[in-house]
Amino acid sequence: DGGITQSPKYLFRKEGQNVTLSCEQNLNHDAMYWYRQDPGQGLRLIYYSQIVNDFQKGDIAEGYSVSREKKESFPLTVTSAQKNPTAFYLCASSPDRANYGYTFGSGTRLTVV
Amino acid sequence: KNEVEQSPQNLTAQEGEFITINCSYSVGISALHWLQQHPGGGIVSLFMLSSGKKKHGRLIATINIQEKHSSLHITASHPRDSAVYICAPTFNTDKLIFGTGTRLQVFP
Repeated sequence: DGGITQSPKYLFRKEGQNVTLSCEQNLNHDAMYWYRQDPGQGLRLIYYSQIVNDFQKGDIAEGYSVSREKKESFPLTVTSAQKNPTAFYLCASSPDRANYGYTFGSGTRLTVV
Repeated sequence: KNEVEQSPQNLTAQEGEFITINCSYSVGISALHWLQQHPGGGIVSLFMLSSGKKKHGRLIATINIQEKHSSLHITASHPRDSAVYICAPTFNTDKLIFGTGTRLQVFP
């Protein structure tokens, strides 16, 4: 079955270390997204990509970086510049930016100690 | 600034009850999603609608574009319906804005 795979489900890192979260989809979707979820807040957009080798900043891109070298993959790196990295991170995809059929991954909970 | 408000924030029900969750937004939208997030965190898209009403099993979603309001109804609620339900309008910028969610607990 097609879907989005995020790994790992739980991730622990020491403060000051960069960490990369994986997101892979086999839905042949053009657009992919990264969201951050904090307690009591709605999901907020970090980065999105509408096509391979192109991506755009979302509302809270500072301290994060992404790449889109393959259509299937959209990894997110949480850098040491991100001041409050502990959060739940969700990846999503849609056929294209104008088609609103979003599919979400199961998320990665990152804890920085 | 685009804004989404959901009510109630928390909802407790007995099995079998009819549930209504409301979503209001401040500006024009092109579509609205209702999402379900289980305790593990993964999100499932329940509905996407831009007008009228959609039904899937015991779930019904309605939207009134003029009043900028959508509702999610659950008939004959069951403990397995316990989850966070999130409203996410797509504004004319093609951007999803997420509500903070309604936490539903259904007790046997």
